[in-house]
Amino acid sequence: AQSVTQLGSHVSVSEGALVLLRCNYSSSVPPYLFWYVQYPNQGLQLLLKYTTGATLVKGINGFEAEFKKSETSFHLTKPSAHMSDAAEYFCAVSMIKAAGNKLTFGGGTRVLVKP
Amino acid sequence: EAGVTQSPTHLIKTRGQQATLRCSPISGHTSVYWYQQALGLGLQFLLWYDEGEERNRGNFPPRFSGRQFPNYSSELNVNALELEDSALYLCASSLWTVTSNQPQHFGDGTRLSIL
Repeated sequence: AQSVTQLGSHVSVSEGALVLLRCNYSSSVPPYLFWYVQYPNQGLQLLLKYTTGATLVKGINGFEAEFKKSETSFHLTKPSAHMSDAAEYFCAVSMIKAAGNKLTFGGGTRVLVKP
Repeated sequence: EAGVTQSPTHLIKTRGQQATLRCSPISGHTSVYWYQQALGLGLQFLLWYDEGEERNRGNFPPRFSGRQFPNYSSELNVNALELEDSALYLCASSLWTVTSNQPQHFGDGTRLSIL
């Protein structure tokens, strides 16, 4: 069974600073990987996804993530934080053909952006 | 394009009652997923429906059930409500094929409160 670990339940960054959110997964086969963002009182919005191909994935709002198979990681970065980036971020995995398309989520990382 | 819509936004029930939550997927999506986001428990997969059939369920008791209608909308029913059922229930939809993994798109959720 796959699992997802997000290091750090809370991250505080200054506006304009680098945002780095860590995600490690465990899976018997390479999974599909996703990052979602959740703003207060809202559902999840897809930031980016990795399925196959290029290991550096660009998403919306200036975010990108790199798939590193050897490290079983899929860390999310943004070069310069904006106040609007304050939200909770979830890393998720799914396995093709295994239990359909269900997502297994990490515990989430709440990002606070300081002015 | 309209996103995933869920109703009601909030639902207040008492222990032992039944709750019905509704979800309309993005047009063209045949798969609907339900997730529970409970405080301290994170996001957990509940149910997956595709083409009107239940394809997979998570580790939840049978009092959590649902169905998918011919127009692909879905209902989640929770019987004999317990205090720990208080949570945000998120619905997601996607295309699904056996050979590729399409991202799930989420609604804003129904917040179920059990008194």
